[in-house]
Amino acid sequence: DAKTTQPPSMDCAEGRAANLPCNHSTISGNEYVYWYRQIHSQGPQYIIHGLKNNETNEMASLIITEDRKSSTLILPHATLRDTAVYYCIVRSVSGGYNKLIFGAGTRLAVHP
Amino acid sequence: NAGVTQTPKFQVLKTGQSMTLQCAQDMNHEYMSWYRQDPGMGLRLIHYSVGAGITDQGEVPNGYNVSRSTTEDFPLRLLSAAPSQTSVYFCATQLHREASYEQYFGPGTRLTVT
Repeated sequence: DAKTTQPPSMDCAEGRAANLPCNHSTISGNEYVYWYRQIHSQGPQYIIHGLKNNETNEMASLIITEDRKSSTLILPHATLRDTAVYYCIVRSVSGGYNKLIFGAGTRLAVHP
Repeated sequence: NAGVTQTPKFQVLKTGQSMTLQCAQDMNHEYMSWYRQDPGMGLRLIHYSVGAGITDQGEVPNGYNVSRSTTEDFPLRLLSAAPSQTSVYFCATQLHREASYEQYFGPGTRLTVT
């Protein structure tokens, strides 16, 4: 599975867009990019995922570069409740099971 | 629709004791899995199941057993608890096993082994 690199921490003002970057330069063609977040040691929460195209849902947008070596998660109007650790995960089915490999993630702090 | 439920929320065990962590889902998902999360670390896969009657090992299976007699339930058994098993345990489900489907996590069970 491809590894991901994320900044350890970021800050964002409430109401502004939060743009969280992720590098996955060794991603292969059949690997998806997933984003999860974890708030206060709760269970990880699914945010969004994509393969090649940009994606948008009610929570966020995912921008994947054309070469697929990096992506950006965009929270369009961050709120205090978006303070969490955000995980960028590259995922494939391998070894008979599919797995989510959680790295260190980015700790996003949203401040008033 | 409760989603993924886990019981208990908290548990303290003495070394050598056994117990079962419960996981139940009402979404008719075929794929279920167990992860553990140690302080300051990411999640590691313990066991998984691709359907009723089918289970297999993940990355850190030693000291744990699982079974899947129904689609809804996927209990995790600690055979003889050790302090190294102090962790937060998460159950996750997925509609089908393919990587294109997202996983949904339960709220977790916080286990302390003394």
